[in-house]
Amino acid sequence: AQTVTQSQPEMSVQEAETVTLSCTYDTSESDYYLFWYKQPPSRQMILVIRQEAYKQQNATENRFSVNFQKAAKSFSLKISDSQLGDAAMYFCAYRSPGGSQGNLIFGKGTKLSVKP
Amino acid sequence: EAGVAQSPRYKIIEKRQSVAFWCNPISGHATLYWYQQILGQGPKLLIQFQNNGVVDDSQLPKDRFSAERLKGVDSTLKIQPAKLEDSAVYLCASSDRRTYELGITEAFFGQGTRLTVV
Repeated sequence: AQTVTQSQPEMSVQEAETVTLSCTYDTSESDYYLFWYKQPPSRQMILVIRQEAYKQQNATENRFSVNFQKAAKSFSLKISDSQLGDAAMYFCAYRSPGGSQGNLIFGKGTKLSVKP
Repeated sequence: EAGVAQSPRYKIIEKRQSVAFWCNPISGHATLYWYQQILGQGPKLLIQFQNNGVVDDSQLPKDRFSAERLKGVDSTLKIQPAKLEDSAVYLCASSDRRTYELGITEAFFGQGTRLTVV
């Protein structure tokens, strides 16, 4: 069974600075997807960024980028130029390619605080 | 495009009572998921539907939890009788089967129902 581990329960960053959230996972599959979700106090899970395992290039979305190390099974999220609105819980998630095994497996989350 | 709708937003019940949550997925989404998120943890899948059929309910405590998706659209999740450890946020999500399996789109989440069992 696949597992996702986030070893940082809480992180803090100064506004406009850069912060990196860590995630490791375990799987025997060669093809899969990895995600970072943001969960603000409204509780709705919002997709931040996704990475396909077969792609060597790291995904980027504006101020958000990932460092995907497939051999090490590591998938970290870097937030540049942090903003107050980035404060939230961040969850790393894994899923197998579609079909009946396509549900998401989440880590325990990292609470990110942004200081003005 | 309307998102995934869930109700109620909050619910407080006493242990041994019953409770039901409702979810209306995005129009046209064949796949619907119910996740349980206990405080301090990530969401965990309870049940996955494809249209009105169950794809995966391996982590659903079937002695007290039940779910249905009549007509392949709306879904209800029921707990009867509730236990203290059922206190959690219950998230509903939906996805378009074809584009999801192709890796083009992902699941969309509702805002969840926060259940407190006292």
